[in-house]
Amino acid sequence: RKEVEQDPGPFNVPEGATVAFNCTYSNSASQSFFWYRQDCRKEPKLLMSVYSSGNEDGRFTAQLNRASQYISLLIRDSKLSDSATYLCVVNAGTNAGKSTFGDGTTLTVKP
Amino acid sequence: EAEVAQSPRYKITEKSQAVAFWCDPISGHATLYWYRQILGQGPELLVQFQDESVVDDSQLPKDRFSAERLKGVDSTLKIQPAELGDSAMYLCASSPDRGNMGLAKNIQYFGAGTRLSVL
Repeated sequence: RKEVEQDPGPFNVPEGATVAFNCTYSNSASQSFFWYRQDCRKEPKLLMSVYSSGNEDGRFTAQLNRASQYISLLIRDSKLSDSATYLCVVNAGTNAGKSTFGDGTTLTVKP
Repeated sequence: EAEVAQSPRYKITEKSQAVAFWCDPISGHATLYWYRQILGQGPELLVQFQDESVVDDSQLPKDRFSAERLKGVDSTLKIQPAELGDSAMYLCASSPDRGNMGLAKNIQYFGAGTRLSVL
């Protein structure tokens, strides 16, 4: 079993749809969590950090459930430009510890 | 905006040859990472440096891979000899390391990567 698991998709949704991705992690001692976005053949870029209380950035909402060891990303009112692969990242500690990436969930938003 | 610099962007080599990749992190970032990413998978950590010291190289195939960051700034990753299975994207990332930054110090900034093809 992988340390960080994501549904690979692909998710194909129409513009304006709401879509949610989940990510599960196996290390209960994990301290910090992130969502990165990766466009085709480009480098990953931080989308948002995930805080224990949940956080929102515009159309994007991230949630953390420590008891069940998963994080989620909700995208509302999908845009064509949201088409990308979304990588879940789990960090082992708060001192620039080892980060483990999931294999990503691919989203395609269609007109 | 400061960037992580990597070179070359593309490298084609024959198996059994030696290859080297270079990375210059964002100025002031103490932590530097080398990842390998195979198509369809997430980045896999090869080695992590804190300044000039290796803090994690557990997934680095040490029989053929080596990495150094002699002055705690830029870094080189070498493969010798290259094998067909080494074809992948090699990504370098850096992150700040300041005790009062909380989660922010774990945010990683990636370079554009080196795409390696071994023939």
